[in-house]
Amino acid sequence: EAQVTQNPRYLITVTGKKLTVTCSQNMNHEYMSWYRQDPGLGLRQIYYSMNVEVTDKGDVPEGYKVSRKEKRNFPLILESPSPNQTSLYFCASSTSEGPNQPQHFGDGTRLSIL
Amino acid sequence: AQKVTQAQTEISVVEKEDVTLDCVYETRDTTYYLFWYKQPPSGELVFLIRRNSFDEQNEISGRYSWNFQKSTSSFNFTITASQVVDSAVYFCALTLFKYNFNKFYFGSGTKLNVKP
Repeated sequence: EAQVTQNPRYLITVTGKKLTVTCSQNMNHEYMSWYRQDPGLGLRQIYYSMNVEVTDKGDVPEGYKVSRKEKRNFPLILESPSPNQTSLYFCASSTSEGPNQPQHFGDGTRLSIL
Repeated sequence: AQKVTQAQTEISVVEKEDVTLDCVYETRDTTYYLFWYKQPPSGELVFLIRRNSFDEQNEISGRYSWNFQKSTSSFNFTITASQVVDSAVYFCALTLFKYNFNKFYFGSGTKLNVKP
């Protein structure tokens, strides 16, 4: 089954404790992206990647890091999480024809930073 | 600057009513894509439609229809004869050629409640 898998689905942690949210897709997609969803703000793009070792900033990259060492994986790293990073996070992927193709989204990861 | 505005925060209708969700976008680019996504209560995001800036044809898919008007920078979404299963948050989004369509700009979403 074609899917984008995020882990963990839920996480409660404390300020300053490094965490990684993993994202993996099994569709051989070139393009992957991370978003955060906050009430009243919709989805905001954090980072995206056009292919292995190629990443770029979205609208709200501050406080986040990403890496794309393998095509299927695109982890989101919070080196020193803060309460304002409490949010619902989505990973997405799409084909090599470009992100203007439909994105496939993961089920989301709800992070709470205390 | 690029921006997508969904002014309707929440809409409530009774089943079988028609409902239109508004989307207004801002960009100086002439080449772009517009999208609609649905987020049901279960939380996942589901692609509904995309439209490029050179294609102003309206589209109909079953009970769903989309009206793209460049003159008013709008890409509105109409659900005909709404059903309870249409209850969800709907997002409009924009990507631009100048960023190779890599950057997405989403609106804040419209929550649609369809009551039986």
